[in-house]
Amino acid sequence: KAGVTQTPRYLIKTRGQQVTLSCSPISGHRSVSWYQQTPGQGLQFLFEYFSETQRNKGNFPGRFSGRQFSNSRSEMNVSTLELGDSALYLCASSAGTSGIQDTQYFGPGTRLTVL
Amino acid sequence: GESVGLHLPTLSVQEGDNSIINCAYSNSASDYFIWYKQESGKGPQFIIDIRSNMDKRQGQRVTVLLNKTVKHLSLQIAATQPGDSAVYFCAENILAQKLVFGQGTRLTINP
Repeated sequence: KAGVTQTPRYLIKTRGQQVTLSCSPISGHRSVSWYQQTPGQGLQFLFEYFSETQRNKGNFPGRFSGRQFSNSRSEMNVSTLELGDSALYLCASSAGTSGIQDTQYFGPGTRLTVL
Repeated sequence: GESVGLHLPTLSVQEGDNSIINCAYSNSASDYFIWYKQESGKGPQFIIDIRSNMDKRQGQRVTVLLNKTVKHLSLQIAATQPGDSAVYFCAENILAQKLVFGQGTRLTINP
């Protein structure tokens, strides 16, 4: 089975712009979670989608949003980018039947740099 | 914040020795715990998990111990190999709503 894929792998944006990141889960997985990883804050949970609905949400401002499509692929969007949004954005997929307790498999991440 | 990662604790061990990586978790309501390994340039890789109704679980060369009394989790890696060099994260599942990750420990293997 192919693993979780994320596109693009690297992205450079400027302050004020918006960005969309994409995640394709492992085939058959219905849950997709997004995380932000920075040296200062470590790995932080953004949100989780299951069956096209946001099921869980972390403590991030409304500039961070996401969606999930009927084929379980997911996108996350960050609007009005700030320098502090520079991070590695990780997507993880799981079967989704037990919520966050399912084993989550991570993609390689998208490295976002905001200038 | 819920996790800090600027200066990772580092553990150096000799190849072939056993490694023990420790983690203190924050919420007594957490009922599911996972260890992940992250190599440079890659996403975290699942190693082993444990539910709160257990205090020990073994995998291939790895053992996780859970002490709910003191909210402590440990990962033991037997016969450490060069490929074990990575950053190791523990994560706790809080009320089935989100995963909270620890700060991570960098494991370095000396030849």
